[in-house]
Amino acid sequence: DTAVSQTPKYLVTQMGNDKSIKCEQNLGHDTMYWYKQDSKKFLKIMFSYNNKELIINETVPNRFSPKSPDKAHLNLHINSLELGDSAVYFCASSLQHGLAGGHQQYFGPGTRLTVT
Amino acid sequence: EDQVTQSPEALRLQEGESSSLNCSYTVSGLRGLFWYRQDPGKGPEFLFTLYSAGEEKEKERLKATLTKKESFLHITAPKPEDSATYLCASSLANDYKLSFGAGTTVTVRA
Repeated sequence: DTAVSQTPKYLVTQMGNDKSIKCEQNLGHDTMYWYKQDSKKFLKIMFSYNNKELIINETVPNRFSPKSPDKAHLNLHINSLELGDSAVYFCASSLQHGLAGGHQQYFGPGTRLTVT
Repeated sequence: EDQVTQSPEALRLQEGESSSLNCSYTVSGLRGLFWYRQDPGKGPEFLFTLYSAGEEKEKERLKATLTKKESFLHITAPKPEDSATYLCASSLANDYKLSFGAGTTVTVRA
C-alpha cells in the first residue's frame, strides 16, 4: 500500500512545454506539500495546502501552479518549462498543519524532471 | 538564508565504527528539529522530532539529541544498511514550514 504516490516518476521534456505532476495520498491527511530538490540535494518547500486551501506559497515563479481537487490530491502544473526547472520534485503529506503532529511529513518517491 | 547547516557533507565509516552527524541551526524561536533519512532515488523518511534542548530520542542504532544551538545524530555500531543521506530540518514557532539542511551522506563499509 503506497502512502504517498506521484506520477510520473521520470519526466523528460523540452523547454517551453507545459507539464503536470500528480500526487495522491491515502493516509487521510489534511495537509499536502510540494518540495523541490535541486542538484545540490537541498529540499525546498514550494507550496502547502491544508484541506484544499493554500497556506504556504514560497517565492516560486508564477509558471508553477498547484491545484488541489480534494484533500487527498495535490497536483503541480508547470508552464513554459525552463532548463533551471530540472530537479526532483517531492510531494508530501502530514496529519495536520502546525502543532506537534503536523510535521511528521510522509514523502512520495519523487518525480525527476529533466528539461532539455 | 541558511537556517540549517549540516556537517560533514559526507562520512565514510567501517561497519561497527560509531560516529556523529551535526546539525546546527541559526534561527530563534525554534518550533522543532527534525531528522529524516533519504535513500538514493527515494523520498525522505521521517526519523525523529525534537522540541526542546536536552531532549533525546532513539531508534535502533540511531540516537538524536538537541541543544540550544545544534542537534546531533549518533550512529552506534553502524551496519551497511545504515548507508543513506541524513537530513535535518527546522521549523519556527510562527512558521510551520520545514527548512532543510543539505544533508550528510553516510556510507558504511562491511
